[in-house]
Amino acid sequence: GENVEQHPSTLSVQEGDSAVIKCTYSDSASNYFPWYKQELGKRPQLIIDIRSNVGEKKDQRIAVTLNKTAKHFSLHITETQPEDSAVYFCAASSGNTPLVFGKGTRLSVIA
Amino acid sequence: DAGVIQSPRHEVTEMGQEVTLRCKPISGHNSLFWYRQTMMRGLELLIYFNNNVPIDDSGMPEDRFSAKMPNASFSTLKIQPSEPRDSAVYFCASSPGVRAANEKLFFGSGTQLSVL
Repeated sequence: GENVEQHPSTLSVQEGDSAVIKCTYSDSASNYFPWYKQELGKRPQLIIDIRSNVGEKKDQRIAVTLNKTAKHFSLHITETQPEDSAVYFCAASSGNTPLVFGKGTRLSVIA
Repeated sequence: DAGVIQSPRHEVTEMGQEVTLRCKPISGHNSLFWYRQTMMRGLELLIYFNNNVPIDDSGMPEDRFSAKMPNASFSTLKIQPSEPRDSAVYFCASSPGVRAANEKLFFGSGTQLSVL
């Protein structure tokens, strides 16, 4: 089955700097790669996703890149703000299997 | 829509007791998922349903865990007997389609379970 590895497990950045979180997956059939943000004590919520027919997707300060050959994808947050502090989860799935999540990255943005 | 509704928000029980967690998915959604979240293991899929039918329960850790979905608007996750290592946050999520993947999951607020 699918296995998703996520790095780093914790990340601290200064406000205004960029943050990058990386994930690798094992199943070459996977074709959907979402990212979820979970604030302390809250539910995970989708912030951006990418499908295998696209190499990059942007939404304001966040972007996701996908390298299908290398089986890895990354989340990029630019101009970080304190409200970006949260746990971020990557996930992967093929058309027939549920999402498999990475173990999460705790991002702290220091003002 | 109120979103995915879970109850209770918090549950504290003693080892050996039965625990029942409840979930109401978003109306019209055809897939329902139960996840368990711990610091060590992250978000683990326990079981999922399509059109009220259990599709894959390979993530259910032991026979002590069982899940049902008697109709499109209600699901339960039961642990009997409960053990301290079951302490975790249990999330229910739903999605619109009948396929398990490739679309957004809507999570409930979760149930924080503590087994003493």
